[in-house]
Amino acid sequence: NAGVTQTPKFRVLKTGQSMTLLCAQDMNHEYMYWYRQDPGMGLRLIHYSVGEGTTAKGEVPDGYNVSRLKKQNFLLGLESAAPSQTSVYFCASSYYSAYNEQFFGPGTRLTVL
Amino acid sequence: RKEVEQDPGPFNVPEGATVAFNCTYSNSASQSFFWYRQDCRKEPKLLMSVYSSGNEDGRFTAQLNRASQYISLLIRDSKLSDSATYLCVVTLAFKTIFGAGTRLFVKA
Repeated sequence: NAGVTQTPKFRVLKTGQSMTLLCAQDMNHEYMYWYRQDPGMGLRLIHYSVGEGTTAKGEVPDGYNVSRLKKQNFLLGLESAAPSQTSVYFCASSYYSAYNEQFFGPGTRLTVL
Repeated sequence: RKEVEQDPGPFNVPEGATVAFNCTYSNSASQSFFWYRQDCRKEPKLLMSVYSSGNEDGRFTAQLNRASQYISLLIRDSKLSDSATYLCVVTLAFKTIFGAGTRLFVKA
């Protein structure tokens, strides 16, 4: 099993450009999450999903959109990238709730110039 | 006040030392507690869950004090491979809050 995978691993964008980050898991987990991690701060939840076809806002959702059309995939979109969105983005999944262990992908390092 | 607070460190300890980290949380209704480990430029991975009765996994012991709203992690007989950032994690319903982490360096 690959676990949780993320595509791409690195990306550089110019201000105003858009992009989509893909997260895939092969563990049949119901819950999936997108976090961002910035220096000196903990991981902050952007959006999450409790099942196929559902999404919900987390702590820092502004400037991001998500979709969960298939159970195994969770997409994070940046509509118009800003330098403040320079960060490391982690996707995670858990079996049935946030009380379970979360399994993380390797992360995507995004720089917005 | 941050919802989950940790001493950022770094803690620099020699091999074989015992080191302890504390973490405080602000919401008394918090329900689940974890310690995750994150190596440099890698993803976080679960180290252990934390229960009121305390739990131990080899050289690692975690404790929860609900009355004082803190959790702790004790590492005995530190190894070079224990060098990492340790993240305190608190969950309430759908909300998972990560601390900023405590950095540990174990020296030979």
